Amino acid sequence: DVQMTQSPYNLAASPGESVSINCKASKSISKYLAWYQQKPGKANKLLIYDGSTLQSGIPSRFSGSGSGTDFTLTIRSLEPEDFGLYYCQQHNEYPPTFGGGTKLELK
Amino acid sequence: EVKLVESGGGLVQPGRSLKLSCAASGFSFNDYWMGWVRQAPGKGLEWIGEINQDSSTINYTPSLKDKFTISRDNAQNTLYLQMSKLGSEDTAIYYCARAGAFTTAFDYWGQGVMVTVSS
Repeated sequence: DVQMTQSPYNLAASPGESVSINCKASKSISKYLAWYQQKPGKANKLLIYDGSTLQSGIPSRFSGSGSGTDFTLTIRSLEPEDFGLYYCQQHNEYPPTFGGGTKLELK
Repeated sequence: EVKLVESGGGLVQPGRSLKLSCAASGFSFNDYWMGWVRQAPGKGLEWIGEINQDSSTINYTPSLKDKFTISRDNAQNTLYLQMSKLGSEDTAIYYCARAGAFTTAFDYWGQGVMVTVSS
């Protein structure tokens, strides 16, 4: 299975700041990486797929980049509702595998 | 509005079986791949498997292939997960999810149902 490693594990930031979350695959996954947001009491939300394609309805302050083994999720100008858990997932080969998660907390 | 609502969770004894359901609404269920993901308490997400529109293709994560069975009833707009020989390691929140129209990533998720395996 492809191992996905996210960093940092925890991230503290303030509204208005920009942050980046990294995801590294144990082998090349081409462009096939997705990012999800998880918040208590809400359904998980797909933010980005295919590395950089913004899911419909997701604000443009979210962006994804990378290919091969190294990917980044960037959130510009953080809004209060952006705080939560973020997971990357490779969807290049079976079984799809997730990173361990990054907790974005309010500073 | 796309809605996915899981049911059938609860407390189950080790070694027993349990069947989860996921009721889908707000979209044409028989046009989409569907899948299951789980999350053990305090842990990350684990992909369980997926099923295509007419049930002709079902993919599982290898470690769960012999314990879990995914099926669907397009007439009832319902996805199922049959779980057998349950152990404490299967204690988790189980999420139903829909694959996107243009991606194998899951674009809609249910809120999840808790399964606790304990004597």
